[in-house]
Amino acid sequence: KNQVEQSPQSLIILEGKNCTLQCNYTVSPFSNLRWYKQDTGRGPVSLTIMTFSENTKSNGRYTATLDADTKQSSLHITASQLSDSASYICVVRDFNDMRFGAGTRLTVKP
Amino acid sequence: EAGVAQSPRYKIIEKRQSVAFWCNPISGHATLYWYQQILGQGPKLLIQFQNNGVVDDSQLPKDRFSAERLKGVDSTLKIQPAKLEDSAVYLCASSKTGIPNEKLFFGSGTQLSVL
Repeated sequence: KNQVEQSPQSLIILEGKNCTLQCNYTVSPFSNLRWYKQDTGRGPVSLTIMTFSENTKSNGRYTATLDADTKQSSLHITASQLSDSASYICVVRDFNDMRFGAGTRLTVKP
Repeated sequence: EAGVAQSPRYKIIEKRQSVAFWCNPISGHATLYWYQQILGQGPKLLIQFQNNGVVDDSQLPKDRFSAERLKGVDSTLKIQPAKLEDSAVYLCASSKTGIPNEKLFFGSGTQLSVL
């Protein structure tokens, strides 16, 4: 069983709408959690990092949350744009390894 | 700052043939990673280098895959012989020192199709 589970697998929204992507993990001990954005045909690019003591962190229209007790993270995208169409990958790190989720494929339609 | 460079961008080969991928990490980055990303899945680590030494190659199928990072800069990943299930995107990534909180910088990948 993958130690990092993301949901939904795919999502289609209209431009301007908000959406929330979920990441549940069982990785232990926890070091940090990163959200990456992967455009089609490109490598992933880091959006934000969450450490144990952080609950919320924003990067423009992206807001990540972390609940270390329930081992859940979310990525909220506000006022979506066509350029937000991409895969969003959650990566959880223990002190030695990185565990990648399978990603959520987001499509923003005009 | 130049990003992680990978080549070729695409490669199509027949099964049992060999193939090689090249990666040039960001200048000064000590840590280099090769990942395999199968369609619809997250990247899977194949091998991690720290300078020119191997840190982790536990998931590298060593009977057919090999990688080297001579002089601690560029790296090549080779598959010989290729199988149908090797069809994937091969991503190279680098980070400055390899400490846990660092973000990885990824190249655009090489898309391999094995027919």
